[in-house]
Formats: sequence, structure tokens, C-alpha cells
Amino acid sequence: QSVLTQPPSVSGAPGQRVTISCTGSSSNIGAGYDVHWYQQLPGTAPKLLIYGNSNRPSGVPDRFSGSKSGTSASLAITGLQAEDEADYYCQSYDSSLSGRVFGGGTKVTVL
Amino acid sequence: QLQLQESGPGLVKPSETLSLTCTVSGGSISSSSYYWGWIRQPPGKGLEWIGTIYYGGTTYYNPSLKSRVTISVDTSKNQFSLKLSSVSAADTAVYYCARHQGAAYYHYYMDVWGKGTTVTVSS
Repeated sequence: QSVLTQPPSVSGAPGQRVTISCTGSSSNIGAGYDVHWYQQLPGTAPKLLIYGNSNRPSGVPDRFSGSKSGTSASLAITGLQAEDEADYYCQSYDSSLSGRVFGGGTKVTVL
Repeated sequence: QLQLQESGPGLVKPSETLSLTCTVSGGSISSSSYYWGWIRQPPGKGLEWIGTIYYGGTTYYNPSLKSRVTISVDTSKNQFSLKLSSVSAADTAVYYCARHQGAAYYHYYMDVWGKGTTVTVSS
């Protein structure tokens, strides 16, 4: 059981908008710690997608956006493309566990 | 362009110690702006943070692994290393090294990753 809860899978047709939730608690997201998102294409290392809740590193398309409210965060992908098919992970810090924590991951399928 | 490369044995026997090294190229491990760390991913499962080190030697470990983990740094070689003792089949995973940065320690994220190395624990 991951400290941060993500849906196992989401899917959408090309061009649609999908969102991935990341639900935490008062010891992590709710405590004000930043949430970050990673994209992991099949057979490759994770890649930083969103940092500091809503910031995109250079080179990440603006189709990807992040937000945070209360004890949850979300990643939105607009204009879904076939190349977005991947696993997505949220990450934060947990004061009860005294360490960095990841969500269980969400597999995005493009129909 | 900063690159990280993991190296070490791909097969470790149960109860022995797993040892991996991450070589940093294209930048200095001694930069005051960054921490360096290890993350692992068991087959078909999610990511697990193992631990983080600063070039000065300060370390932070996942409490669930703390009794078995040692992370060290060698600034002369621009490398940092992971040792995980008393391994079992549950430690079979792809091990990644990554650079950490952020506004403050609690907000750190992993912005550059190595390609990962597969370690299997089996006799």
C-alpha cells in the first residue's frame, strides 16, 4: 500500500483530456510538501514531468499540467497523444515516515 | 549535459551485500545545489526511494531499509555508491540513481536519472 494513492489506470481517446489523482494525507501533501510527477515510458527510466506542484521542466509540452489542493494533487494531460501512453507517478515527502514517498503509479492507455 | 550511469553485479546471492556505483559525468557531484540518491523498482511494481546523500556526506535513508542501507560518496571519482546488506528475493529490482534538487530538502525532486541496472537476488 502506497502512502500516496493513485488510480491504477486511466484511458482516453486521442485528443481527449485525462486527469490522474494523487491522494495523500496531513503528513505529506496536506502538510504543504511539494508534489512532483514522473512519466515512465515502457522499458525506460522515469522522467521528471512536473515539479513543485505545477512547474514544467524545459522540453515538457504544455499539454501536461499539475495542480495541488488540500491533501491531493492532480496531473492533467490535454490533447492526449499515442506517445503519452506510459506509467505516471506522483512523489512527495512524508513527515511521519521521514522520507520521500511515491504513489503506486497510474497506467495511461490511449484508446 | 549531465549523465548518470549505474554499475555493479547483476546477480547477488541471498544474505549477501548488494553493491552499486553511480558515476556522474558532465557535472560535478560536489555542487552545493544538489543531493544524489537511489530509487528502486521491483519487477512490475512501483518506485521506492532508498536514500539520498549530499557531497559532504550527509545521508537520509528510507526508514524501512535504514538498518541495511549505506550510501557513500567519492568526490574524487565523481561517484556515489549504494550498499544493501542481507539481501533477499524481495530486493530484486531495477536500481536507479538520480540527482535531487529543489527549493528545500523536503521539496526535493529527481530531475536527472540514470538508465537503471537490474539486480537479481538468487542462489
